[in-house]
Amino acid sequence: GAVVSQHPSRVICKSGTSVKIECRSLDFQATTMFWYRQFPKQSLMLMATSNEGSKATYEQGVEKDKFLINHASLTLSTLTVTSAHPEDSSFYICSARDVGGNEKLFFGSGTQLSVL
Amino acid sequence: GQQVMQIPQYQHVQEGEDFTTYCNSSTTLSNIQWYKQRPGGHPVFLIQLVKSGEVKKQKRLTFQFGEAKKNSSLHITATQTTDVGTYFCAVPRGQGNLIFGKGTKLSVKP
Repeated sequence: GAVVSQHPSRVICKSGTSVKIECRSLDFQATTMFWYRQFPKQSLMLMATSNEGSKATYEQGVEKDKFLINHASLTLSTLTVTSAHPEDSSFYICSARDVGGNEKLFFGSGTQLSVL
Repeated sequence: GQQVMQIPQYQHVQEGEDFTTYCNSSTTLSNIQWYKQRPGGHPVFLIQLVKSGEVKKQKRLTFQFGEAKKNSSLHITATQTTDVGTYFCAVPRGQGNLIFGKGTKLSVKP
């Protein structure tokens, strides 16, 4: 199956700093990638849809100036959490769609962000 | 917007007992998908159901899609400790993305 690589797996940072998370599709091209956030013991909440070569589409309530998404190539999307605060601490997961015809998603391994 | 209700939120079973989680939508679905997330891990695709009344099996797992394509279930027969994790249903919302249910966390006591 398709492989999605996400880095880093864990980040601990000070409040006010920015953190970049990378999501790569290793063996396929992904014109669209999705960023989810998951708080402890909760479900995955879609944050934004990342589109190669164009602006990302953000879900209601997600600040686009705080969560910067760049999808500069068909294999790489990045999420930058700017001026991170403790309430941004969460598990961030990227995913890409299988281009084989169905709609299943392949997920990266996730990034656990802890803001002190 | 598109929502899907999933119950129960938690299920604790003795090893060997069966387990079922249910998802319901207020609207007709084009398809429904099921994912499993192990503790500390990321969601892994299990299956996609597309046809009305569809039933699919994967070893001890049985997936059903309702006749009206508004509900679905995942049943595990004779649970094992390796079945531990959270099971999510997910439905398409357009733009190629998925909306996830709240998940059912399964714990299995040996």
